[in-house]
Amino acid sequence: GQQVMQIPQYQHVQEGEDFTTYCNSSTTLSNIQWYKQRPGGHPVFLIQLVKSGEVKKQKRLTFQFGEAKKNSSLHITATQTTDVGTYFCVNAGNNRKLIWGLGTSLAVNP
Amino acid sequence: NAGVTQTPKFRVLKTGQSMTLLCAQDMNHEYMYWYRQDPGMGLRLIHYSVGEGTTAKGEVPDGYNVSRLKKQNFLLGLESAAPSQTSVYFCASSYAPYGGGNEKLFFGSGTQLSVL
Repeated sequence: GQQVMQIPQYQHVQEGEDFTTYCNSSTTLSNIQWYKQRPGGHPVFLIQLVKSGEVKKQKRLTFQFGEAKKNSSLHITATQTTDVGTYFCVNAGNNRKLIWGLGTSLAVNP
Repeated sequence: NAGVTQTPKFRVLKTGQSMTLLCAQDMNHEYMYWYRQDPGMGLRLIHYSVGEGTTAKGEVPDGYNVSRLKKQNFLLGLESAAPSQTSVYFCASSYAPYGGGNEKLFFGSGTQLSVL
């Protein structure tokens, strides 16, 4: 079935450095969602990408959907301690049975 | 506006005991879901509901039952708890089904369940 693979699994950065997490699929995705989960918290919706090659920005966060709709990325510019958490990409094309990536855990050293 | 509320927040059970987790949403969402989250496993869908009176199996339904008697409530039951059901459980709701363009999930704060 459809699966999404996220890399890296963990990332430690120094505050102010950039961070990127990647989401890859072997099959074409109809769309993809990104969620953030703070330690001890619940997932919070960040964005949904639908169109091939789509790029969306939210302040320091940039989300991209690949031209072939088989991959996506989340890039954070100049990380802050508030960015700490786990970022999940979610395959939103599987008829209500969302398939979640395993997430990328981001740690930011102040 | 509370959003999605889960009760209880923590629970410890002995093997074989039963319990019910309650999820309530006040956003008039048609779709509700129960997920479990285990370290290194991401979120896995247990059961879901597309409307009042309807439920369906997700990815890992065994050992769980659900009911959606009222639109705003979605109950998750464990009839005979097992240590393998130790996990964090999240309820979520959405306005629309996937593919409709408005299917972002709103999550409750979670229930930490330990089965000894």
